[in-house]
Amino acid sequence: NAGVTQTPKFQVLKTGQSMTLQCAQDMNHEYMSWYRQDPGMGLRLIHYSVGAGITDQGEVPNGYNVSRSTTEDFPLRLLSAAPSQTSVYFCASSYSLYRVDEQFFGPGTRLTVL
Amino acid sequence: AQTVTQSQPEMSVQEAETVTLSCTYDTSESDYYLFWYKQPPSRQMILVIRQEAYKQQNATENRFSVNFQKAAKSFSLKISDSQLGDAAMYFCAFNSGGSNYKLTFGKGTLLTVNP
Repeated sequence: NAGVTQTPKFQVLKTGQSMTLQCAQDMNHEYMSWYRQDPGMGLRLIHYSVGAGITDQGEVPNGYNVSRSTTEDFPLRLLSAAPSQTSVYFCASSYSLYRVDEQFFGPGTRLTVL
Repeated sequence: AQTVTQSQPEMSVQEAETVTLSCTYDTSESDYYLFWYKQPPSRQMILVIRQEAYKQQNATENRFSVNFQKAAKSFSLKISDSQLGDAAMYFCAFNSGGSNYKLTFGKGTLLTVNP
């Protein structure tokens, strides 16, 4: 198993540009989520999904869109990038919907918005 | 809303010695889950240890153990026989269980291990 994969690893955008951060898992996990990590802030939940076709907002959803068309993929879209979105983004997945257990994290994407 | 506080931004320990990282949390729930995650320079988030609030026994994973004080809402991580590979950022995280899948993280403690 490849686990949770994220692409790209690094990205530089200009203000106003759009892009999609990709996340995929091959463990047949129902639960997937996106976090952002900022210095001194820990990780904060952006959006999450409990299955294909079902998404919901987390703590800091503004400026981000998600969709879940398959169990495996959970892309995060930035429609109009802003410098405040400079951060490291982590995707995570978990196999259980009924018991909180280990969330498996991807390697992260470092995004810089100029 | 739940909050997680790690009051030690940085800690250091000598190799082979023991260090304790502090974590406190605030919740009105009676049943919940607590985690410690390790993030080395590679950025990969690695689960170190997990505690279920209804279990009174403190969780242990090899050299890592916790001191879970439910009444005090305290969840500290003890690392025994520290190794150079333990150097990392450590995050305490909380989940209220049930249908809530959200992990609430503390701001982290950067652990340095001195040879």
